[in-house]
Amino acid sequence: AQSVTQPDIHITVSEGASLELRCNYSYGATPYLFWYVQSPGQGLQLLLKYFSGDTLVQGIKGFEAEFKRSQSSFNLRKPSVHWSDAAEYFCAVAPPYNTDKLIFGTGTRLQVFP
Amino acid sequence: EAQVTQNPRYLITVTGKKLTVTCSQNMNHEYMSWYRQDPGLGLRQIYYSMNVEVTDKGDVPEGYKVSRKEKRNFPLILESPSPNQTSLYFCASFGQKRPNEQYFGPGTRLTVT
Repeated sequence: AQSVTQPDIHITVSEGASLELRCNYSYGATPYLFWYVQSPGQGLQLLLKYFSGDTLVQGIKGFEAEFKRSQSSFNLRKPSVHWSDAAEYFCAVAPPYNTDKLIFGTGTRLQVFP
Repeated sequence: EAQVTQNPRYLITVTGKKLTVTCSQNMNHEYMSWYRQDPGLGLRQIYYSMNVEVTDKGDVPEGYKVSRKEKRNFPLILESPSPNQTSLYFCASFGQKRPNEQYFGPGTRLTVT
């Protein structure tokens, strides 16, 4: 079945540590890929997106993501996490056959310890 | 400021009492969509609209209605709410360019008792 998987439900890191949040998709062709962040009590904010071209994508708030076709992955990274990064992170894809549709993963909740 | 607004932000109601959650965008976007967010399930699409008077079901449409009489507004209607519709609801919009990012509203937390 076509899907988006975020294998980590909850991740805890110390402030200043590096971060990697995993996202895998299952589609026949490469979908369009997004990472959104949801801070407590807030809506969803787009961190970055990948449509084509350079497989390393830079986003806002110091985040980056790397598209790896061979692994069907689009992992989100940050070299040094700040306490304000504590939030829920969602990977989403727009299938190549229906770019109007956005399919979300189940989310990863990030907790940051001082 | 470009934004999607939703009202109310919080709502507690009782089973069977009809309610409407409003959504409005000021970006002249053609496409609007409603999602619900539940723990462990991520966001799931309820209904979407490609333009005025054009709507279609998403993945979880049961128990919901929508209308799109104006381009900027896309209200979500629960004619007879039930406790299983207790959830966090998001409205989103985006323009004609494909692919494109969706802009989300701040969310409406609904509790049905």
